[in-house]
Amino acid sequence: KQEVTQIPAALSVPEGENLVLNCSFTDSAIYNLQWFRQDPGKGLTSLLLIQSSQREQTSGRLNASLDKSSGRSTLYIAASQPGDSATYLCAVSYRNTGNQFYFGTGTSLTVIP
Amino acid sequence: DTEVTQTPKHLVMGMTNKKSLKCEQHMGHRAMYWYKQKAKKPPELMFVYSYEKLSINESVPSRFSPECPNSSLLNLHLHALQPEDSALYLCASSRSGGGANVLTFGAGSRLTVL
Repeated sequence: KQEVTQIPAALSVPEGENLVLNCSFTDSAIYNLQWFRQDPGKGLTSLLLIQSSQREQTSGRLNASLDKSSGRSTLYIAASQPGDSATYLCAVSYRNTGNQFYFGTGTSLTVIP
Repeated sequence: DTEVTQTPKHLVMGMTNKKSLKCEQHMGHRAMYWYKQKAKKPPELMFVYSYEKLSINESVPSRFSPECPNSSLLNLHLHALQPEDSALYLCASSRSGGGANVLTFGAGSRLTVL
């Protein structure tokens, strides 16, 4: 089974700080990687999608990078705000597993005003 | 329309009841998914429909029965559930299958089995 790990499991930062969330996967033959945000008891909102041929994607204050050789992706959040508080999940798909997306365990982020 | 709509938002049912969860999208997506999520855990894939055909069934118990009547609609029929089946059930869709496209999720249906 494909393993996707996110460290740390929880993170608390003061407002305004820049921060990095990590996602590690065991198989470098990925198809794409997506970062999601989930507010408590709610569905998931897609933040960024990185195709296997790309190294990074940016959207506003968010920047996601992908290093297939080391099996890692990072999500960089600049100038964090209390509204960024949520759980962040990465999900990986592989060419040989069809429609299967493997989710990481998530990082719960709290931004303190 | 860029949404996936799930109904009902909350459902409470007894172990002998029969109920259904409904999911609808009008984005022209041809792949639709059911995920189950327990508290503080990542979503777990249950079923995938690609072009209205079941393409993945992750060994889900038969008390969960998916149905895809057309390309916009996905149902999950529930029968004789157990209390441990209580969870948030998430529907998602993507433009096509193959894991190449963005997943768009609905807000979920919170199921409680008494």
